[in-house]
Amino acid sequence: EPEVTQTPSHQVTQMGQEVILRCVPISNHLYFYWYRQILGQKVEFLVSFYNNEISEKSEIFDDQFSVERPDGSNFTLKIRSTKLEDSAMYFCASSGDLYGYTFGSGTRLTVV
Amino acid sequence: AQSVTQLGSHVSVSEGALVLLRCNYSSSVPPYLFWYVQYPNQGLQLLLKYTSAATLVKGINGFEAEFKKSETSFHLTKPSAHMSDAAEYFCAVSSGNRDDKIIFGKGTRLHILP
Repeated sequence: EPEVTQTPSHQVTQMGQEVILRCVPISNHLYFYWYRQILGQKVEFLVSFYNNEISEKSEIFDDQFSVERPDGSNFTLKIRSTKLEDSAMYFCASSGDLYGYTFGSGTRLTVV
Repeated sequence: AQSVTQLGSHVSVSEGALVLLRCNYSSSVPPYLFWYVQYPNQGLQLLLKYTSAATLVKGINGFEAEFKKSETSFHLTKPSAHMSDAAEYFCAVSSGNRDDKIIFGKGTRLHILP
């Protein structure tokens, strides 16, 4: 069964550093998403992306966040200057023409 | 706007007993509804989804859920709990539009008592 692949599975970074979280969506999917889950809390929507532009973003997705599909296969989330409160599990998801939402296994980001 | 409310942040049941996890939704359009399970330090696994077809939806691992429009509910059940069912369960809602986000509830942690 096709999968959404996220790398790395765990990343530790120092406060103020830039991080890039990577995702490879399912190859024929057209819609891409990032979600965040702070430890012990619910999963929250960050951003959706279609046709090389942001479709919708939440209030969490401020100027320090950006997304990109640089090469037609990868979908990245960049955090420019990480803060302690950015520590969370970040999930990538993709969906296709027929409704079929698939989540990746997540990247655990720890900001120290 | 859409939202889901999960009743009970923690639920404990004995092994072999009925599992019932409650979810109520709010949606201005016909909803798509989901239950996801998350095991410790792992990702989100889809248990089942309702997409406006049959109101009783069967999922993996013996779970099922019934869509009740009159009660705006989508409760998750399993007839007989197993120790391996211990996990966090999230109810979620979407509009069903292919580019729409999923809105998650706060989750219910299921504990299985021996």
